[in-house]
Amino acid sequence: DVKVTQSSRYLVKRTGEKVFLECVQDMDHENMFWYRQDPGLGLRLIYFSYDVKMKEKGDIPEGYSVSREKKERFSLILESASTNQTSMYLCASSLDSYGYTFGSGTRLTVV
Amino acid sequence: RKEVEQDPGPFNVPEGATVAFNCTYSNSASQSFFWYRQDCRKEPKLLMSVYSSGNEDGRFTAQLNRASQYISLLIRDSKLSDSATYLCVVNYGGSQGNLIFGKGTKLSVKP
Repeated sequence: DVKVTQSSRYLVKRTGEKVFLECVQDMDHENMFWYRQDPGLGLRLIYFSYDVKMKEKGDIPEGYSVSREKKERFSLILESASTNQTSMYLCASSLDSYGYTFGSGTRLTVV
Repeated sequence: RKEVEQDPGPFNVPEGATVAFNCTYSNSASQSFFWYRQDCRKEPKLLMSVYSSGNEDGRFTAQLNRASQYISLLIRDSKLSDSATYLCVVNYGGSQGNLIFGKGTKLSVKP
């Protein structure tokens, strides 16, 4: 089974801090994705990547950036955390259009 | 605009009941379709793909109606363990697998 590992299950950060969320997958998938999930809003795509050093904006990229230096690792960066970025962050990877495997999520609270 | 619409529920049903969820999608160019299951405070997990001919996996049956642009999921003989949120998912993005998620339908199965 594909395993997608997110480095932290829970994080609490202060407003203005730079925050790094790490995601690693172990099955050589090309495609990786970052979503946030909020009550009533569902899953919203922040950024995705189809290859090393490639990135594409999703629906809500503002306030975020990403890094993909190695195929297995896709990092989400909050340049200056704000309280409206308090959310559940989910990383996913896929080989093709069949479907995604998600990590267990990082619940980020910005105070 | 690419949208996937679901009734948020909750659907409250007794054990043993049959329950059906529907989902509509906006773009006729959609290529593949899925149902995901998400337990409370957990990540989404692929439940089943949805094929044009319809497909069944045990107590679960998925149907696709391309002409009307809707997808359905039927659960027979509901179990307590079926309680979860069910996400309707549509692939618009070709081989890279850029999935659009519905906001989910919450199911609660009661004893």
